[in-house]
Amino acid sequence: QVTLQESGPALVKPTQTLTLTCTFSGFSLTTPGMRVSWIRQPPGKALEWLARIDGDDEKFYSTSLRTRLTISKDTSKNQVVLTMTNVDPVDTATYYCTFGSYYRAWGQGTLVTVSS
Amino acid sequence: DIQMTQSPSTLSASIGDRVTITCRASQTISSWLAWYQQKPGKAPNLLIYKASNLESGVPSRFSGSGSGTEFTLTISSLQPDDFATYYCQEYYSYSPAFGQGTKVEVK
Repeated sequence: QVTLQESGPALVKPTQTLTLTCTFSGFSLTTPGMRVSWIRQPPGKALEWLARIDGDDEKFYSTSLRTRLTISKDTSKNQVVLTMTNVDPVDTATYYCTFGSYYRAWGQGTLVTVSS
Repeated sequence: DIQMTQSPSTLSASIGDRVTITCRASQTISSWLAWYQQKPGKAPNLLIYKASNLESGVPSRFSGSGSGTEFTLTISSLQPDDFATYYCQEYYSYSPAFGQGTKVEVK
């Protein structure tokens, strides 16, 4: 059974760097074809795909956010880390990590508020 | 980037109604489309993958159809548990896109 859990700060100040961690179980991110993505959802708004990392370490980013995002993995800890630089109040959202190409498994989400 | 457009944005319906939600892609995505249901405060739940495949455990009143650029999600007989927001998602591209969502509310 695949499980994922997001963790990170609840509050971040504008211009700071946000670091989020996804800890997963039930699969290995060293296997080709395995992939973890990050998706966010501002309050009351739609889902937005952010980034993906594959088992072969290929990485993909949202076109609009690629200059601010970095995704990486630590296979020894079964973790995927997303960093977002220069955050702004519009980045306030619930951030989810997910598994696969279409998303059967999601974390519970972590709400990040960007405010001074 | 591929754009996904859902219609309607809001749908008012009654228990037992047949409900149809449409999703259009800005370019062909073959059948690489998924549908999700989301309730307030919860993560989305996968309903349909590859346009028409029902996810295990999802009630058979949900069905999906379409290919290319036009897709539909149908609920054959709306149940109380189905009042929620529904999203389509393409996974054809390297930067997958979601539709803006369709909220199904009580009429």
